[in-house]
Amino acid sequence: GENVEQHPSTLSVQEGDSAVIKCTYSDSASNYFPWYKQELGKGPQLIIDIRSNVGEKKDQRIAVTLNKTAKHFSLHITETQPEDSAVYFCAASIPGTYKYIFGTGTRLKVLA
Amino acid sequence: DTEVIQTPKHLVMGMTNKKSLKCEQHMGHRAMYWYKQKAKKPPELMFVYSYEKLSINESVPSRFSPECPNSSLLNLHLHALQPEDSALYLCASSQDWGTGNTIYFGEGSWLTVV
Repeated sequence: GENVEQHPSTLSVQEGDSAVIKCTYSDSASNYFPWYKQELGKGPQLIIDIRSNVGEKKDQRIAVTLNKTAKHFSLHITETQPEDSAVYFCAASIPGTYKYIFGTGTRLKVLA
Repeated sequence: DTEVIQTPKHLVMGMTNKKSLKCEQHMGHRAMYWYKQKAKKPPELMFVYSYEKLSINESVPSRFSPECPNSSLLNLHLHALQPEDSALYLCASSQDWGTGNTIYFGEGSWLTVV
């Protein structure tokens, strides 16, 4: 079945630096990849998503890249700020179903 | 406005109690979901309703009983829960049910079973 690996599990960066989180999926038929940010005590919030017909998508300081050949997609956050500190989850659609599988999460800490 | 509203935010219940979690959305979404999230883990799908009909039950124990009174509301009825059921319960919705439909989560209901 579909599997998603997410790395790193924790990431600390200095304010203003960039952060990169990478996810690898197993089923080449997956075609939709959302990223969620979950702050402490809150529900996950969609921050960006990408479909398999696109290689890169950007929204202000956040970007996602997709490499279908290597079956991985990455979240890039530039000019990080303390409010970017949260747990980030990637997800991938499960082919043949209408479900998604989530990565194990990355705890990002932005140090002021 | 992409808002999914869940009540209550916190719930403490005994193992013999009956309680309900409630969820509503007014975005016109036709698919609604219940997820369970344990600490430091990703959300786990429990149920999916599509057009007010139960489409997926991920082998959830019968002590959890979902209900979809109408297209805007989703309930999760709880009865005879166990302490290990303590978790964050997330409601979510999407425009439709299918691959590529963005899922929007609510803030969750924190459940503690004592």
